[in-house]
Amino acid sequence: SYVLTQPPSVSVAPGQTARITCGGNNIGSKSVHWYQQKPGQAPVLVVYDDSDRPSGIPERFSGSNSGNTATLTISRVEAGDEADYYCQVWDSSSDHPFGGGTKLTVL
Amino acid sequence: EVQLVESGGGLVQPGRSLRLSCTASGFTFGDYAMSWVRQAPGKGLEWVGFIRSKAYGGTTEYAASVKGRFTISRDDSKSIAYLQMNSLKTEDTAVYYCTRGGHGDRLDYWGQGTLVTVSS
Repeated sequence: SYVLTQPPSVSVAPGQTARITCGGNNIGSKSVHWYQQKPGQAPVLVVYDDSDRPSGIPERFSGSNSGNTATLTISRVEAGDEADYYCQVWDSSSDHPFGGGTKLTVL
Repeated sequence: EVQLVESGGGLVQPGRSLRLSCTASGFTFGDYAMSWVRQAPGKGLEWVGFIRSKAYGGTTEYAASVKGRFTISRDDSKSIAYLQMNSLKTEDTAVYYCTRGGHGDRLDYWGQGTLVTVSS
């Protein structure tokens, strides 16, 4: 079974950079997608295929993936970025493609 | 504009059945795999299953937690995906989301979700 590990929480001050990690065995060889979920709302895709952004997603959102860790980076964090973030990887050995989620708190 | 609208949620007793629908618009429904993802109250996202497009056989795959109890189907003529849930358990209580995409894909559009509560 392929396990994705995210920190439960990350805190950052407005204007600073937030980095949310997603750990998995040799995750660098897989495509990673990231979703943002604000309270009471459906998830929204913010980064796909490691580092691509859907249309309408600000350039402040970026992604990287190497080795055993994928990272979602949010630059110049705003209060409106406060949300839960989930990484997702498809692997044939697992039917749990989502990480446990990380709550981003903007201080 | 791509839209996915779920319906059919509600309160159901353990052991009973419920069918959810996902009505799609704004894209050629038949060209895409469709997935269902659920989220128990206060918990994270859990993949339920998906159905491939007819071009890829229209076959389905399910998470172990629902395999044998849940069935996903599609009606491309109506642009609707279905989730038939049988033998429901209290642990199936969750918001159920319909999403565009399947195994190997990004899930690029999500519906607003429909709440299923399994309780006596």
